[in-house]
Amino acid sequence: EVKLVESGGGVVQPGGSLRLSCTGSGITFNNFWMSWIRQAPGKGLEWVAKMKEEGSEKYYGESVKGRFTISRDNAENSVHLEMNSLRAEDTAIYYCRVVVSTTDFDYWGLGTLVTVSS
Amino acid sequence: SYELTQPSSVSVFPGQTARITCSGDILSKKYARWFQQKPGQAPVLMIYKDTERPSGIPERFSGSSSETTVTLTISGAQVEDEADYYCYSAGDNIWVFGGGTQLTVL
Repeated sequence: EVKLVESGGGVVQPGGSLRLSCTGSGITFNNFWMSWIRQAPGKGLEWVAKMKEEGSEKYYGESVKGRFTISRDNAENSVHLEMNSLRAEDTAIYYCRVVVSTTDFDYWGLGTLVTVSS
Repeated sequence: SYELTQPSSVSVFPGQTARITCSGDILSKKYARWFQQKPGQAPVLMIYKDTERPSGIPERFSGSSSETTVTLTISGAQVEDEADYYCYSAGDNIWVFGGGTQLTVL
């Protein structure tokens, strides 16, 4: 069974930094693109970042470019999201996701809550 | 940039057919997925590759596609189908979600 577990969320002041982690089981991480998606309170889903299997390609949503960095440690079956210069509008539940295009292989973690507030 | 447009809300009575549309130029070139999300839960995949249903998803859920619009149909909607529904598609280097549709089964 595939399981993804996010951690690292919490309360941070505007302008601050936070590092999220996602650890997976039931899959071999280095076979998959990994990604982060977020959902602000009462709002819809927003793609944040994704990263290729071996890390050679990374892509970001427009709202986080230049501030967030995705990384991974395949040996540890984990993916991370380094978030800098945080803003109030970054407040959201952050989900880790693994998906294989054109298949039903599509798994999400339960999410971790990030609150940016003074 | 790509955008996917959904109605903000749809309401049906139990047993009726609910249809939720999703429109966007990317859909003429790329497949769509549909997710169901209930309060406090992570999204669940309901339809992929426009029309395919994962195992374990009830047969009353189906997907269709035409040009730049995909549609999620729930035939004989049940009270437990009340949730938010999101369409999604993937471009070459970006992913995009629709704004979500709140389905109410009265």
